[in-house]
Amino acid sequence: LAKTTQPISMDSYEGQEVNITCSHNNIATNDYITWYQQFPSQGPRFIIQGYKTKVTNEVASLFIPADRKSSTLSLPRVSLSDTAVYYCLVGDTYKYIFGTGTRLKVLA
Amino acid sequence: GAGVSQSPRYKVAKRGQDVALRCDPISGHVSLFWYQQALGQGPEFLTYFQNEAQLDKSGLPSDRFFAERPEGSVSTLKIQRTQQEDSAVYLCASSLGQGTYEQYFGPGTRLTVT
Repeated sequence: LAKTTQPISMDSYEGQEVNITCSHNNIATNDYITWYQQFPSQGPRFIIQGYKTKVTNEVASLFIPADRKSSTLSLPRVSLSDTAVYYCLVGDTYKYIFGTGTRLKVLA
Repeated sequence: GAGVSQSPRYKVAKRGQDVALRCDPISGHVSLFWYQQALGQGPEFLTYFQNEAQLDKSGLPSDRFFAERPEGSVSTLKIQRTQQEDSAVYLCASSLGQGTYEQYFGPGTRLTVT
């Protein structure tokens, strides 16, 4: 299972685009990159998953360079309700390793 | 539709008591997972079921922890002779298939051992 490194915390202002980068130097060929979001007193919630290049859905984009040793979660125009912990997970099985995640605080 | 539900949401147990935590997964989801989340940390994997079969219990911290899913639906995580270090949030998740399918998490049960 590839180890991931992401910033412990980030602050942003409402309306800004937020990019959270995750480093995973030992990613294996079959590994996918998955991001989850967790609000206080709730379980994590799936945001997006990708293998290479760029994936976009209605809430976020995921950018993965060709070497796949890092990935960037992009949240467009954040609001106060995006304040949460964001986890980057890498693997090819069900066995996720969550780490401590990135605490994003969105300020008014 | 209904998501993953867990009960109770909060449990206080005296040290040495046994507790049972229940998880109702999304109907039709084959896979079910239990995680333990300590304060300020990310969830840590405990165990995995595919239908009624417990395929992976490598994350269970001791033999005081036991999980079952007898009919391939509802699951129970049992902790015997609770210790203070068992205090945590216990999360249940389910998914449609195996591998890297999206996992849907319940709200968790906060266990406090006094």
